Amino acid sequence: DVKVTQSSRYLVKRTGEKVFLECVQDMDHENMFWYRQDPGLGLRLIYFSYDVKMKEKGDIPEGYSVSREKKERFSLILESASTNQTSMYLCASRGGWGNSPLHFGNGTRLTVT
Amino acid sequence: GENVEQHPSTLSVQEGDSAVIKCTYSDSASNYFPWYKQELGKRPQLIIDIRSNVGEKKDQRIAVTLNKTAKHFSLHITETQPEDSAVYFCAATSGGYQKVTFGIGTKLQVIP
Repeated sequence: DVKVTQSSRYLVKRTGEKVFLECVQDMDHENMFWYRQDPGLGLRLIYFSYDVKMKEKGDIPEGYSVSREKKERFSLILESASTNQTSMYLCASRGGWGNSPLHFGNGTRLTVT
Repeated sequence: GENVEQHPSTLSVQEGDSAVIKCTYSDSASNYFPWYKQELGKRPQLIIDIRSNVGEKKDQRIAVTLNKTAKHFSLHITETQPEDSAVYFCAATSGGYQKVTFGIGTKLQVIP
């Protein structure tokens, strides 16, 4: 069974801090994704990666960056955290290409104060 | 880019009744349409999916239909049970990098 692990379940950071959210998958999947989930807005794509060192912007990339130095690990970086980035962050991976489902991690609830 | 609209945003049904959730998409090149169920406090998990060359797919009490001409697809749950209560998301996959775009979700409540 695919396992996608997010390093923190809950995180509290201060405004202006640099924040790293880590995600690791154990199934050698090529594709990895970062979404944020907010009530009434569903799941919105921040960034995704289709290969090591390759990345594509999603629908709401502003204020975020990503890093994928190894195939199994995909990091989301908040360069300078702001209160409007308080949210649930979900990482997902996908093997193969488009006709395959996403496998999600348990999420990281980030609060920026 | 792709835009996925989902409705209703909330749905209450009596146990044993059917539930229908509808989604529309904008990119005619979209070719894969999964549905995810997210129980309270848990991760979204795939419950059923359909590919663009298929019009309907069924798995026990769950079925999905796809109308490519109208660019809409629907989730049907029959004989609903309390454990069906959750948030359901539709999604569409499109573009050269096969980006996955989600609807806003439907909160389904099954009343015993």
